[in-house]
Amino acid sequence: AQSVTQPDIHITVSEGASLELRCNYSYGATPYLFWYVQSPGQGLQLLLKYFSGDTLVQGIKGFEAEFKRSQSSFNLRKPSVHWSDAAEYFCAVGDGNKLVFGAGTILRVKS
Amino acid sequence: GAVVSQHPSWVICKSGTSVKIECRSLDFQATTMFWYRQFPKQSLMLMATSNEGSKATYEQGVEKDKFLINHASLTLSTLTVTSAHPEDSSFYICSARGGDYYGYTFGSGTRLTVV
Repeated sequence: AQSVTQPDIHITVSEGASLELRCNYSYGATPYLFWYVQSPGQGLQLLLKYFSGDTLVQGIKGFEAEFKRSQSSFNLRKPSVHWSDAAEYFCAVGDGNKLVFGAGTILRVKS
Repeated sequence: GAVVSQHPSWVICKSGTSVKIECRSLDFQATTMFWYRQFPKQSLMLMATSNEGSKATYEQGVEKDKFLINHASLTLSTLTVTSAHPEDSSFYICSARGGDYYGYTFGSGTRLTVV
């Protein structure tokens, strides 16, 4: 069965600093990988997804993620964080049917 | 883009009553819908998967008689929490897939509080 690990529960970065959120997955075949963002009391918004092809994926709001098969990772990055990026971020792996989510990483941005 | 509307956004009900949550795909046909439950400061846990016109598939440990899921059309799925109790209080989120086969669009969630 597939699983997702997000090792960082909380991350705090200064506004303008770079960001990397870690995600490791376990899946027997080629995974479908996703990053979502959730603001408090809200649903999930898709940031980006990877199915195949170029392993560096560009998403919305200036986010990108890199799929590394050898490391079973799909880390999310942003070169310069804005205060509005403060939220919870979820990595997910899909098998073509359902999604399995990681535990989430709460991002705090300090000014 | 694909939009999923979920209603109500929040609901408070008395213990023992039933509550229905609707999930609608507004601009695409949702062949598959998913229902998740999220406890405070926790991740999303898949409760069930429903395909239009067929019975929902529940995840292990989810009481199918308590959480009734109906996916009667390609644009509407409902989750009914029957005989709700305080421990059913949670944030419920639906997700729909269709059109873009590998895309999952989420509703805005429903905060259920049972008193």
